[in-house]
Amino acid sequence: GESVGLHLPTLSVQEGDNSIINCAYSNSASDYFIWYKQESGKGPQFIIDIRSNMDKRQGQRVTVLLNKTVKHLSLQIAATQPGDSAVYFCAENPGNQFYFGTGTSLTVIP
Amino acid sequence: DTEVTQTPKHLVMGMTNKKSLKCEQHMGHRAMYWYKQKAKKPPELMFVYSYEKLSINESVPSRFSPECPNSSLLNLHLHALQPEDSALYLCASSQDRVGFNQPQHFGDGTRLSIL
Repeated sequence: GESVGLHLPTLSVQEGDNSIINCAYSNSASDYFIWYKQESGKGPQFIIDIRSNMDKRQGQRVTVLLNKTVKHLSLQIAATQPGDSAVYFCAENPGNQFYFGTGTSLTVIP
Repeated sequence: DTEVTQTPKHLVMGMTNKKSLKCEQHMGHRAMYWYKQKAKKPPELMFVYSYEKLSINESVPSRFSPECPNSSLLNLHLHALQPEDSALYLCASSQDRVGFNQPQHFGDGTRLSIL
């Protein structure tokens, strides 16, 4: 299978701080990437996506950065809130299906 | 609230039972997916339906049998499952085939326990 990994399995941040979640991917043919948030007892929820012809994309309080040279993807969450506590998955698509990373558990400390 | 609805939310069954998981979406999406997710692991793809035809089967055991009656519905028929099949089963849909770079929208899953 594909190798899509995250550098840190867990991350704890203080409420109000910015969070950065990293992801490494291995398939240089991947041209589409998604970040998902999965809360306990729920399915993955789409956060933001980015195509390989871009290196940055911003949403509401979230920014995704793509570095194709080193095959690295990151998710930045501004002013992290308790409701941001969840597991975050990156997913890459080299054209036929999505491959999910191992996930990072984000805990926000009030 | 998710726009992909899965029923039941929880299912407990014995190894000799036959049951079905159901998934429904009304977003007009033409691709639908089944994933299996074990605790603290990422989702693993099982099946992909594109325009109501099975396009990907990730070498899933025959005790799992998918069915796509129409573009809005996706079923997963279960028979003679093993304890290791206990997991969260997720359904997802996307507007078109996965190769067209579109996000998948997930339901909240069915938590399946095999006794």
